[in-house]
Amino acid sequence: AQTVTQSQPEMSVQEAETVTLSCTYDTSESDYYLFWYKQPPSRQMILVIRQEAYKQQNATENRFSVNFQKAAKSFSLKISDSQLGDAAMYFCAYTEAGNMLTFGGGTRLMVKP
Amino acid sequence: GAGVSQSPSNKVTEKGKDVELRCDPISGHTALYWYRQRLGQGLEFLIYFQGNSAPDKSGLPSDRFSAERTGESVSTLTIQRTQQEDSAVYLCASSLPSGGWETQYFGPGTRLLVL
Repeated sequence: AQTVTQSQPEMSVQEAETVTLSCTYDTSESDYYLFWYKQPPSRQMILVIRQEAYKQQNATENRFSVNFQKAAKSFSLKISDSQLGDAAMYFCAYTEAGNMLTFGGGTRLMVKP
Repeated sequence: GAGVSQSPSNKVTEKGKDVELRCDPISGHTALYWYRQRLGQGLEFLIYFQGNSAPDKSGLPSDRFSAERTGESVSTLTIQRTQQEDSAVYLCASSLPSGGWETQYFGPGTRLLVL
């Protein structure tokens, strides 16, 4: 079974600084998809960024970018120019096509003004 | 357009009672997923509906849990004889038909508390 591990239960960053959240996963598949979701206190899961495993280029969405290392099965999220509104739980997730998401345990990000 | 909606937002029930949770997916989304999120933890998959195919029930934790979906619309998750360990947030997500992969859009969840 696939597993997703987030080794940092909590992270803290100063406003306007950069922070990197770690995620590793275990799979025997070669074709799969990886996601980072944000969950603020409202409980709403919001997609931050996604990556197809067959693409070598790292995905980027504005201030958010990933470092995808397929051989190492690592998928970290970098948040640049951190803002107070970035404070939330962040979940890394994995799926194969057409299947459910497998989530990591989450990282709580705190942003200090 | 409208997102995924869930009702009720919060539900408090007594141990042993049955509860029904409702999910209205985004119109046109044939795939629908239920997840459970215990306090301070990640999401656990429960069940997956895709169009008229048989649902993937592999995540249901016990036979007290069941779910139905009417066509490509509303889904209900039923928990019979609730136990305290069923207390959690139950999240529903929907997506377009997945030939490759499609983003899952989540509802706000139902927080269930079993006393």
